Amino acid sequence: SQQGEEDPQALSIQEGENATMNCSYKTSINNLQWYRQNSGRGLVHLILIRSNEREKHSGRLRVTLDTSKKSSSLLITASRAADTASYFCATVPIQGAQKLVFGQGTRLTINP
Amino acid sequence: KAGVTQTPRYLIKTRGQQVTLSCSPISGHRSVSWYQQTPGQGLQFLFEYFSETQRNKGNFPGRFSGRQFSNSRSEMNVSTLELGDSALYLCASSLVSNRGETQYFGPGTRLLVL
Repeated sequence: SQQGEEDPQALSIQEGENATMNCSYKTSINNLQWYRQNSGRGLVHLILIRSNEREKHSGRLRVTLDTSKKSSSLLITASRAADTASYFCATVPIQGAQKLVFGQGTRLTINP
Repeated sequence: KAGVTQTPRYLIKTRGQQVTLSCSPISGHRSVSWYQQTPGQGLQFLFEYFSETQRNKGNFPGRFSGRQFSNSRSEMNVSTLELGDSALYLCASSLVSNRGETQYFGPGTRLLVL
């Protein structure tokens, strides 16, 4: 079962603009991770944020986590055409057999 | 280090057949997890193996099984294939656990069941 819901499902912006994707989840988590997937290929890990962290940066990526609202956001600044991909959040629940539990993903298109 | 490799990359089978997919994790990684990705259900966890033992299992029928060898390579098997088993099957490895660590994914095996 999917724990996360991502918003929006699809996002199209111009190159150079910032892209923000949101993720909500249902249960208490150990950590939350963001992955990128290009055209139905393998997933590439972008960033991991632990439940006791509120914000994390990696290059042009900024991730926030609000455990009280059970939500996270991924911000990509100064977007590039190569950022075109699907982005997934994945949570690691504290309880239950489910391990990485993925959201449905956001399809991001960067227009040159 | 070489990344996670999966074979075959593409596969076409017919209903009722069985299939075996293979995954070689990153050298030194002991945890291997399998995921199924479909347009309708998204990415779903199948199972995780660690030191040749299944440590966790998702909500899939018994037709889906797997195993891990002493060199950490893993195989998953799907018996009595159904049309709905058409999917991208992804394998991921990590050093110890798939709970708190980064998962490194392979390119996937795309299975089409006719």
